[in-house]
Parts: sequence; structure tokens; C-alpha cells
Amino acid sequence: ETGVTQSPTHLIKTRGQQVTLRCSSQSGHNTVSWYQQALGQGPQFIFQYYREEENGRGNFPPRFSGLQFPNYSSELNVNALELDDSALYLCASSLGRHAIATEAFFGQGTRLTVV
Amino acid sequence: EDQVTQSPEALRLQEGESSSLNCSYTVSGLRGLFWYRQDPGKGPEFLFTLYSAGEEKEKERLKATLTKKESFLHITAPKPEDSATYLCAASYNFGNEKLTFGTGTRLTIIP
Repeated sequence: ETGVTQSPTHLIKTRGQQVTLRCSSQSGHNTVSWYQQALGQGPQFIFQYYREEENGRGNFPPRFSGLQFPNYSSELNVNALELDDSALYLCASSLGRHAIATEAFFGQGTRLTVV
Repeated sequence: EDQVTQSPEALRLQEGESSSLNCSYTVSGLRGLFWYRQDPGKGPEFLFTLYSAGEEKEKERLKATLTKKESFLHITAPKPEDSATYLCAASYNFGNEKLTFGTGTRLTIIP
């Protein structure tokens, strides 16, 4: 067990709706990253938060937004859902701004289906 | 653009038949190379971190190695429970722990 928990595990939404996914980081980790994984693909970086500030963003539109809270838990919000947003959403926690690249530990993911 | 390429896409082995998975990466600016295992519908499980060419790490039947342009995940005498997708990922940016992933190798071990 990594100590990274995500909720909910599964979600079905209608096109055009909004969704909020949640992540609780591993104890001691100050950095949370969100990834989108389509079926048969590797995870794609959405964005990262370090100590409550956005710290890098991938090629995702502004309708993907996030927050990190003082306890380092995090939310991913997606507005105006599209069918292509159907994917496994992964949260990863790590120790950021470290001298060496440190491993990220992933939660079990949230499977989002947009219909 | 930083790239990570894995091969083969899928691999079927008989139980006990050893093999290797390949990961090619953009060389410039590499800070770390990571291997993960992913079971269907689950999040990736961390296996190894490699930092410099020549480095090797082992865990049970798995051994990861790093050269100047590739990484290999060697699996020795695999068992059916080793069946999973193996993902390779690279970190490039100091101050931003973004991982660039390959598409993975889907490994099936036949009893």
C-alpha cells in the first residue's frame, strides 16, 4: 500500500457536466501530480502542485483545474466534460524540489466514464 | 520534446522463460529513470529508480539496468503472477517532478 488514496473509485458523468476528483497524499509528501491514462496508453501529465502552488502543467485545456490544500491533499476539477475525458485519473505524491529525482507513489485511480 | 519509447508492446512468455523489456529515452537532461508495474484497472506500483549509466537494481525475479540511451527490465524465470503492464518513465525537470511515460509493455506469463 502506498498511502495515496483517491475517491471516488468509479464515476459516470454526462457530457457537459463538471466533476471533482480527490486525492490524499502519502504522509510527508509535499507534491501532488495528476495524470490521465486512456485505455492502452501510458499516463499523461496534467499538472502538479507543490506546497499549494501549481508547479507545472501538461498539454491540457484550462477546463482542467486543481487545488492543493495545507494538508497536501488535492482536488482535480474538470468542467464541460467531453466524451474523450473518459479515462483513468491517477494521483501521485512525491517529495518535490529534492536534489535528486524522487519516485512518485500512485493511488489506485478514479475511473471516469463520460456518456 | 522529451520522449520515452517502450518495446515490445506486448510479450507472451511461458512460465520460466526469461526475457527483457526495452525502454529508450531522450538522453539530454535525464534526472532519473523509473520502472512501474500496473495491473488492470489499478494505479502504477513503483519498482525501481535508476540515475546513471551502468546502474543496476534487483527485486525478486526483476532486474533493471540503465545505459546511456536505454533501460532494460530483465525478468528471470517468470511466474504467472508477474503478468502485468510494465511502464517506464523519465524525469527531466529539476523543480518539477513531472514524469514522461512510455506506453508500456503488456507481459503475459503462460503457466
